[in-house]
Amino acid sequence: KNEVEQSPQNLTAQEGEFITINCSYSVGISALHWLQQHPGGGIVSLFMLSSGKKKHGRLIATINIQEKHSSLHITASHPRDSAVYICALMEYGNKLVFGAGTILRVKS
Amino acid sequence: NAGVMQNPRHLVRRRGQEARLRCSPMKGHSHVYWYRQLPEEGLKFMVYLQKENIIDESGMPKERFSAEFPKEGPSILRIQQVVRGDSAAYFCASSERQEETQYFGPGTRLLVL
Repeated sequence: KNEVEQSPQNLTAQEGEFITINCSYSVGISALHWLQQHPGGGIVSLFMLSSGKKKHGRLIATINIQEKHSSLHITASHPRDSAVYICALMEYGNKLVFGAGTILRVKS
Repeated sequence: NAGVMQNPRHLVRRRGQEARLRCSPMKGHSHVYWYRQLPEEGLKFMVYLQKENIIDESGMPKERFSAEFPKEGPSILRIQQVVRGDSAAYFCASSERQEETQYFGPGTRLLVL
């Protein structure tokens, strides 16, 4: 069983829709990252969180440490949000363990 | 403040050659991480370095791969005698302190012919 599971694997949405991507994990962590990767492109760190909720623009990330679950929400989605979204666990010791990613496509 | 820089962005090597990938962390960052993304696979941790020291190399293949982060200059990931299976995107990340946000470079895409 993988330490980190993301769902869904693929997601297609219409512009303007509210989007949720989920991440569940099975190990103790010090923090969790949400990352964005465009096709052939680099990786952008969206959030690092260890408790509660963070918001940046149209993006919101939440984490429940007791339930070992995190969600990334995108409000008022736009075609430029189309990318791969990756959940990454920061296990004690600093290295990141990555989920398989969620491929998001937002249609206009 | 420039972000994490990696060069080259693209590197083509023939089997048996050496590949050197460079990573300059963000200014003020002394922690560097290397990750590999094989085609159609997820990212995997390779090695974590802090100035002049390897802290965790549990993700490095046992042979042909080495990494360093000297007191002066960029971090180097070195792959000797490359094979086709080494073709991948190699990403470097840096952080200011332990257990803080890691900022990623644009990656080096290595193609072994």
